[in-house]
Amino acid sequence: GNSVTQMEGPVTLSEEAFLTINCTYTATGYPSLFWYVQYPGEGLQLLLKATKADDKGSNKGFEATYRKETTSFHLEKGSVQVSDSAVYFCALLTGANSKLTFGKGITLSVRP
Amino acid sequence: DAGITQSPRYKITETGRQVTLMCHQTWSHSYMFWYRQDLGHGLRLIYYSAAADITDKGEVPDGYVVSRSKTENFPLTLESATRSQTSVYFCASSVPGRRTDTQYFGPGTRLTVL
Repeated sequence: GNSVTQMEGPVTLSEEAFLTINCTYTATGYPSLFWYVQYPGEGLQLLLKATKADDKGSNKGFEATYRKETTSFHLEKGSVQVSDSAVYFCALLTGANSKLTFGKGITLSVRP
Repeated sequence: DAGITQSPRYKITETGRQVTLMCHQTWSHSYMFWYRQDLGHGLRLIYYSAAADITDKGEVPDGYVVSRSKTENFPLTLESATRSQTSVYFCASSVPGRRTDTQYFGPGTRLTVL
């Protein structure tokens, strides 16, 4: 079956630090990969996505590259801000039924 | 553009009571989903629906019932609430069958069962 594994959290960083959040997956077929973000008190929203190997998704300074050889989709940002404090979920999609498989999420806190 | 809304936002109920959580979307998306979010478990799919009158079980369907008589509404009912159903519930919708489809989430309902 499909599964997504995210690194253990929480993560606390100082403003302007470099961020990496690891995500690896197991899937049948060729999944599409997503990062969703959940700001405090809100629902999830799409941050970025990639649909095939070597694709790079990017948004708001965040990037993630679809690595088929390592089955990974790590999220990176060069300089985090306090406003990036949120919970980040890695997810994958296979097949045509629109069902997402989510990782457990990781909480990021950024200190001023 | 209202998007996807959930009601109520907060609900406190007692064990054994029936509770219905509402979800409404204005985009005419075919697919709709119900998730619960619990610490240590991330998001788990309860039920989903591919279209009006078509529903299917997700990962954790026990104790829940759904219906979808209209495309825009997807209510979730807890027939006899239990403490283990205390959680934050999210509804989502998406366009069907495309590898790039994005799920759009509502703001959530925080349910406490005493």
